[in-house]
Amino acid sequence: KAGVTQTPRYLIKTRGQQVTLSCSPISGHRSVSWYQQTPGQGLQFLFEYFSETQRNKGNFPGRFSGRQFSNSRSEMNVSTLELGDSALYLCASSWGQGGSGANVLTFGAGSRLTVL
Amino acid sequence: AQTVTQSQPEMSVQEAETVTLSCTYDTSESDYYLFWYKQPPSRQMILVIRQEAYKQQNATENRFSVNFQKAAKSFSLKISDSQLGDAAMYFCAYRSNTGNQFYFGTGTSLTVIP
Repeated sequence: KAGVTQTPRYLIKTRGQQVTLSCSPISGHRSVSWYQQTPGQGLQFLFEYFSETQRNKGNFPGRFSGRQFSNSRSEMNVSTLELGDSALYLCASSWGQGGSGANVLTFGAGSRLTVL
Repeated sequence: AQTVTQSQPEMSVQEAETVTLSCTYDTSESDYYLFWYKQPPSRQMILVIRQEAYKQQNATENRFSVNFQKAAKSFSLKISDSQLGDAAMYFCAYRSNTGNQFYFGTGTSLTVIP
């Protein structure tokens, strides 16, 4: 069974540009969550999608957006990049049904974004 | 919102020794799940162990075990017979029984000394 695949793995952008990151979940997983990881801040929740609908959203500005397609693949977009957006962006997929101990997050390797 | 606190930013342990990583959380819910995730340097985050709040018995996975104190809202991870491959960042996480949002602590960086 293929794991969670994130592309691209590394990218460098300049301030003001925008970026799109992609995530393909484990087959059969319908929920995709996105996290921003920075040193000292741990994992900050961005948003979660389930069956193409955003279910939860973290405390990030509107420059951060996402979507999910009918095949459960998800993309997140950051517009008007700022230096502080430099981080490791992690995608995680899960079965998606709350209330089950089997509903755990499986993470991808992440997309490391550097903003210059 | 639930909060998860890991008060030890860094820990170290001698190879073959035992180490305990601390985690506390704040919630008003009675039913939930707790997790420990491991993130090795430059590698993928993986699940180490999970605990259902309704179970009194502490979860165990080989050399990894937890000490779950529900009343104290404490969830520590014990690693026995530490190995070099255990060196990683460890994250404690909480998930409600009714939703799918996970809340993570800020992590504990574990160094294993040969």
